[in-house]
Formats: sequence, C-alpha cells, structure tokens
Amino acid sequence: LAKTTQPISMDSYEGQEVNITCSHNNIATNDYITWYQQFPSQGPRFIIQGYKTKVTNEVASLFIPADRKSSTLSLPRVSLSDTAVYYCPHGSSNTGKLIFGQGTTLQVKP
Amino acid sequence: DAGVIQSPRHEVTEMGQEVTLRCKPISGHNSLFWYRQTMMRGLELLIYFNNNVPIDDSGMPEDRFSAKMPNASFSTLKIQPSEPRDSAVYFCASSSGTLMNTEAFFGQGTRLTVV
Repeated sequence: LAKTTQPISMDSYEGQEVNITCSHNNIATNDYITWYQQFPSQGPRFIIQGYKTKVTNEVASLFIPADRKSSTLSLPRVSLSDTAVYYCPHGSSNTGKLIFGQGTTLQVKP
Repeated sequence: DAGVIQSPRHEVTEMGQEVTLRCKPISGHNSLFWYRQTMMRGLELLIYFNNNVPIDDSGMPEDRFSAKMPNASFSTLKIQPSEPRDSAVYFCASSSGTLMNTEAFFGQGTRLTVV
C-alpha cells in the first residue's frame, strides 16, 4: 500500500528556517505532492502543492527531487503561530483517495 | 463562499443512540470526503463521493456507519447505533476536481462524544 513517511515531531525556535521531509513510497506518475497544516480544533488546511522541482508561495517552499521519492517542505523564519501538525498525505490519482499519516508535529519555541 | 460547513460542531450522545452529522460542501465542488480523527488512529478517510456518487467506502469502519449525498450541496454521515469508540472529530472536505491537482477544503469538524 503506497504511503508517505515523515518524522513524528520537530522542535524549532522563532526566526529559524524549518525543513520537514516526507518520503513518498510508490508515488504514481500522475500524482501531485501536497502538504497540509492543521492547528488544534481546526481542519487541515492546504499549504502547497507541486509535481517536481521547486514551488514557492507566500507561506512555504516545496522541494521535490527528480525521482519524486521525497519532498521537503521549507518554512522560512518560523514564528510561534507556525506551531501545528504538518501532513504530506498520499494521494492516488486513480482512486481519488487522500490518505493522511500521523503528520509531523512542529513546536516553535520563543 | 463560507467554506465547508459542518453541523453540529459538538455532539454528545448516549451509547446506542443514532447520530447524524451534516456537511455542506463548497458550491461547485464535485468531490466530497468524510474523515475521522482520533489521537490513536490519526486522520482516517471514511468515504469519498464524486458527483454525489459514493466512489470508495472502504474506510467505513462497519455497518453501523452510513453516508449519503442526496444532492451536490448536502451530505450526511450517520452512526446507528453509536458506541463510545466512535468518539472522535469528524471532518468533511470538498474539492473541485481530483485531489491530485486541486486542494481539498476542510470544514471545522464535528466533535462527537459517545458516553
């Protein structure tokens, strides 16, 4: 069963750059790579999406190597409000399923 | 658009009672998803609709769970009879195409407590 793997937790300090890496086991040719953020008592929120190379938006950057077996979400200069759970769900372009793992709990400290 | 709207936000019920959770997807979206989130199991996909038709319900835990989407603007998730182990936060999400090149928008969730 194709799935993604990411670290359970990470700690950082305000102002630092945070990089969270995800392994994409058996990613299919047509599948995009997406990342979501979830705050307590809220639903997950889409952050960024890419297919290969690098994508940047106002929130984050996403780096995808040529083999697409992994991806790295980069959060520049994090603040306390970036404390959240970050997910790189596996999506199947065939079935439409979006499967979330346990995510990475990022704790930003002052 | 107000986003994906779920109701109720909180539900407390006694074991054995029927529970119905409701979802209004974003207008124009043709895919709808129901998820369940617990500390132990994380965020689990229960069922997925496309154009109001159930496409994949393999995540529905057992026959006590059922979901319907009578039209493009409304879906329900029903648990009958409810059990304490059903206590969780249930999320509804919608998207405008396949998930692979569009984002999914989640509602605020319904926190269900079965006592």
